[in-house]
Amino acid sequence: DAGVIQSPRHEVTEMGQEVTLRCKPISGHDYLFWYRQTMMRGLELLIYFNNNVPIDDSGMPEDRFSAKMPNASFSTLKIQPSEPRDSAVYFCASRQGTIYEQYFGPGTRLTVT
Amino acid sequence: AQRVTQPEKLLSVFKGAPVELKCNYSYSGSPELFWYVQYSRQRLQLLLRHISRESIKGFTADLNKGETSFHLKKPFAQEEDSAMYYCALKTGGNTPLVFGKGTRLSVIA
Repeated sequence: DAGVIQSPRHEVTEMGQEVTLRCKPISGHDYLFWYRQTMMRGLELLIYFNNNVPIDDSGMPEDRFSAKMPNASFSTLKIQPSEPRDSAVYFCASRQGTIYEQYFGPGTRLTVT
Repeated sequence: AQRVTQPEKLLSVFKGAPVELKCNYSYSGSPELFWYVQYSRQRLQLLLRHISRESIKGFTADLNKGETSFHLKKPFAQEEDSAMYYCALKTGGNTPLVFGKGTRLSVIA
């Protein structure tokens, strides 16, 4: 198993542009999490899904952020419009059930200029 | 609200010296505590969890409910231990992990 897959690995975009980050969880995992990592705030939970349904999106910073999970093998995190303060590493993680560990993807490093 | 505090952003130790990475949590119920590690250019991976009570790569961590702490310890640091370490808290079966801000451990030869 390749583990959690994220794309792109690096994204550089200009302020105001739309950014879409993608995640493929481990097959069979029914939980999917999106985190943001910055030097100042560490790892922050943005949103998580269970069986493709968003459970808690209270960590999503603003309406500019949205996330979808159209099926069990794919999720997107979209930022529109992007701002320089959105620059961070965005991690996706997945988990099987409630008792097992969370497995993380390699992350997407986003730079908004 | 549940919170995890890692007071040190950076910890530098010499090779062979003991290491202790501090972690305190705030939660009134029965927590599950974890340590995750992120080596350079690698993804976060689970290092250990308190319920398994095992030693991984020489690291141990004991949950102290009285002090609400879950400090990570290793008696003799190695250069390959240099990484970012995150303490994480889980408060219920279906809840996500809440992470501290992380501590960067640098082991100096």
